[in-house]
Amino acid sequence: DAGVIQSPRHEVTEMGQEVTLRCKPISGHNSLFWYRQTMMRGLELLIYFNNNVPIDDSGMPEDRFSAKMPNASFSTLKIQPSEPRDSAVYFCASSRGRGNQPQHFGDGTRLSIL
Amino acid sequence: AQKITQTQPGMFVQEKEAVTLDCTYDTSDPSYGLFWYKQPSSGEMIFLIYQGSYDQQNATEGRYSLNFQKARKSANLVISASQLGDSAMYFCAMSQISYNQGGKLIFGQGTELSVKP
Repeated sequence: DAGVIQSPRHEVTEMGQEVTLRCKPISGHNSLFWYRQTMMRGLELLIYFNNNVPIDDSGMPEDRFSAKMPNASFSTLKIQPSEPRDSAVYFCASSRGRGNQPQHFGDGTRLSIL
Repeated sequence: AQKITQTQPGMFVQEKEAVTLDCTYDTSDPSYGLFWYKQPSSGEMIFLIYQGSYDQQNATEGRYSLNFQKARKSANLVISASQLGDSAMYFCAMSQISYNQGGKLIFGQGTELSVKP
């Protein structure tokens, strides 16, 4: 079975540009999560969806960040405008609901903002 | 608020020996889940093992076992017969189990394990 698919794997762009990260969850999983990993802050949840509905976006750092899940098989995380402090690895994960099921992670997007 | 603490930033173990990675947690929720993930240098996050707060027995998955001590709020990972490929960062995480809503994970800071030949 295909795992969680993220694209792009790497993104290097200049400050002020719009960045869009994409995620395809595992088929049949109804929960989708976006995490950010940095050396300073570790792994932190940005937002998660259940049945395509955003449940908790309290981790989204500021209005420059937005996430959508238009259908069960696709989600985007957008940063506009991007800043150097947004440089991090962004992970998408999916799971079957309830919190007692493991989250399966994509390979991540390594984002560098110059 | 929920919190996960991993007090060992780095650990060394000799190949073929067992090693215990510590994890303590704090929560006021009666229903929660505890997870361990492995992150090798290549960067992916690999699920290893899960323990539910109401599970009576400690979870085991191959060479991995979880030493769950509910009263002490600890969920230590035990890796038996360490292999060179076990060298990686290990994260402990906790979720709140809620009806029909995927539980978000709160992660610890991680422990970097190095296996020596």
